Amino acid sequence: SQQGEEDPQALSIQEGENATMNCSYKTSINNLQWYRQNSGRGLVHLILIRSNEREKHSGRLRVTLDTSKKSSSLLITASRAADTASYFCATDASGTYKYIFGTGTRLKVLA
Amino acid sequence: DVKVTQSSRYLVKRTGEKVFLECVQDMDHENMFWYRQDPGLGLRLIYFSYDVKMKEKGDIPEGYSVSREKKERFSLILESASTNQTSMYLCASSLRQRYFQPQHFGDGTRLSIL
Repeated sequence: SQQGEEDPQALSIQEGENATMNCSYKTSINNLQWYRQNSGRGLVHLILIRSNEREKHSGRLRVTLDTSKKSSSLLITASRAADTASYFCATDASGTYKYIFGTGTRLKVLA
Repeated sequence: DVKVTQSSRYLVKRTGEKVFLECVQDMDHENMFWYRQDPGLGLRLIYFSYDVKMKEKGDIPEGYSVSREKKERFSLILESASTNQTSMYLCASSLRQRYFQPQHFGDGTRLSIL
C-alpha cells in the first residue's frame, strides 16, 4: 500500500506564482524525499529532509516536515514553465531498504 | 553525476514471450531497484537488490524475476509476458548507508505487450 499520498493530484498556475503541494504518510519515518519527473523521463531527486528537521531550502524549493501530523509540503517559489512536471514524495519503510512513493502531484505552469 | 542506463526506451513484445529489461549504473551503488509506473497508481516496487546475487521481493513481484550477477547490472525478467504487464518500467540505484539515500533513476522503458 502507498505510504505517501500527495495533494492535490493536479495543480495549474501562472508563471511567477508559487506552487504548494502536500504529502501525507502513515508510519514513522527516518526521512522524506521529494522527486520531480518530467514527462516520459525518470525521477530526479530534489531534496531530502530528515525526521529531526522541520524546514529545508534549496534554491526556489522549500520543504517543511511535520512529524506530529505525518505530513510534508513542497513549495516552489516564482514558478517557471520549466517547473511543469509531476512531483512525488518518498519515505523509507522502517527496517528495510525500501522506498515508498506517493501517487504524485501533476504541476502545470502556464507561461 | 550518477548515470543509470536502461537498455531500451520503448519495447514491444508479444504475449507469452520472455522479456529482459536491463539496467546499468556507473557509481558503484549497492542498492538497485525495479519499479513499474502506471497512471493513478504511482510507482510500485517490483524487486530490489542490496548486493550482488541478493534480491528481495517488493510489493508486486508476481510474474517477474530479477538477476544481479554484477554490482553494476540489474536485470528484470518477465517470464511469460502478459498484457497487464504493459507499463513504464523504471530502474533506480542508491548507496546503502544508515539513512536511506537519494535514488538515481534511469529514463525508463515503456513496454507494450500485444
